[in-house]
Amino acid sequence: QVTLRESGPALLEPTETLTLTCTFSGFSLASRGMCVNWVRQVPGKAPEWLALIDWNDDKSYSSSEWTRLTVSSDPPRNQVILTMTNVDPADTATYYCTRMKVPHYYGSKTYYNSFFDSWGRGVLVTVSS
Amino acid sequence: DIQMTQSPSSLSASLGDRVTITCRASQSLTVYLNWYQQKPGEAPKVLISSATNLQAGVPPRFSGSGSGTDFTLTISGLQPEDFATYYCQQNYKTPITFGQGTRLEIK
Repeated sequence: QVTLRESGPALLEPTETLTLTCTFSGFSLASRGMCVNWVRQVPGKAPEWLALIDWNDDKSYSSSEWTRLTVSSDPPRNQVILTMTNVDPADTATYYCTRMKVPHYYGSKTYYNSFFDSWGRGVLVTVSS
Repeated sequence: DIQMTQSPSSLSASLGDRVTITCRASQSLTVYLNWYQQKPGEAPKVLISSATNLQAGVPPRFSGSGSGTDFTLTISGLQPEDFATYYCQQNYKTPITFGQGTRLEIK
């Protein structure tokens, strides 16, 4: 059974750095085709994809946020970590990690024919002074 | 980035109705378009992958069609549990992008 759980601070002040941890079980990120994504959602708005790390340790980022984001993995702990620098009240959202499995290798950083099959429950992060 | 445009943004319907939600991409996705359902307080759940593939456990009243840039999600015979928000998503190319959502409400 695949499970993912997000953890991190509930409240930050503007300009601080947000560090979120996704702890997962039921799969190995080292297995071919496995990916973990970070997605956030402001209440009442659509989900916004932020970042992805795959089984080759390749990383992809949102076009609008890439300068502030870093995604990494800690394989022994089955964790994926997202850091976001210089947070702003506009970053207030629920942050989710998700699993995605790519069925075949289509090329570096190519992930079509896949979908987010498991989600964590999300962690609400509020940025306020 | 590939832009995803859903319509309508909201929809009122009655139990038993057939409803259709559309999603248009700013460039061809071939068939690589996914649909998710989200209920209040929950994470989204995948309904359909690659335009037409119904995921395990999803009732057959849900169906998807389309290719290229135009896709539809159809729900035939609305049930009370179907009133939710629906999102399309492409991961044909990164950055992965979502549509803005369609909120389905009870009339």
